[in-house]
Amino acid sequence: ETGVTQTPRHLVMGMTNKKSLKCEQHLGHNAMYWYKQSAKKPLELMFVYNFKEQTENNSVPSRFSPECPNSSHLFLHLHTLQPEDSALYLCASSPSSGSYNEQFFGPGTRLTVL
Amino acid sequence: GDSVTQMEGPVTLSEEAFLTINCTYTATGYPSLFWYVQYPGEGLQLLLKATKADDKGSNKGFEATYRKETTSFHLEKGSVQVSDSAVYFCALSVGIGKLIFGQGTELSVKP
Repeated sequence: ETGVTQTPRHLVMGMTNKKSLKCEQHLGHNAMYWYKQSAKKPLELMFVYNFKEQTENNSVPSRFSPECPNSSHLFLHLHTLQPEDSALYLCASSPSSGSYNEQFFGPGTRLTVL
Repeated sequence: GDSVTQMEGPVTLSEEAFLTINCTYTATGYPSLFWYVQYPGEGLQLLLKATKADDKGSNKGFEATYRKETTSFHLEKGSVQVSDSAVYFCALSVGIGKLIFGQGTELSVKP
């Protein structure tokens, strides 16, 4: 595997379910990110991890819970979601969280909340 | 606050036409500027970037120049192809890895 991978690619869940999204980067990067992409809206940064430490939480509801066990893996735990949480969730990584660093994106997980 | 504004899409062009997608920004400090492209069913890929005023980023025939005086970073390509059909995102970074994206501009190129 190369680059940034995300699993699953598609997920349908009910509002009472608990599920997790997984992201893995094979680039040796130290920073990882979760974004939400909704139709007709700009990408929204959700969380930033730098060297496994969370450095940004962009006022995300607590029903989204990130976990970064090491610099290569990032999870997004989901529980009691709402239909408006349906979106494409993108993971990205970069060498570090400096402003000049390009972010490399995974293909995303398409989430549908029923 | 910091923000990015892109021209609204969709933009529909014939093959070999000239492309311009406008992007303007508002930022404190000296941001780095990026263009990302998203092909159907895929994540975002960096297309080009510029880190200081008057820098020109270029890749795959696309170009954009960082204009501090007009706070702009317009994307151009002299001759588009059907394979360029995608959504294009302008973004700025103001530190701590925080990318702020525009709303995206969908480009459709017809043969």
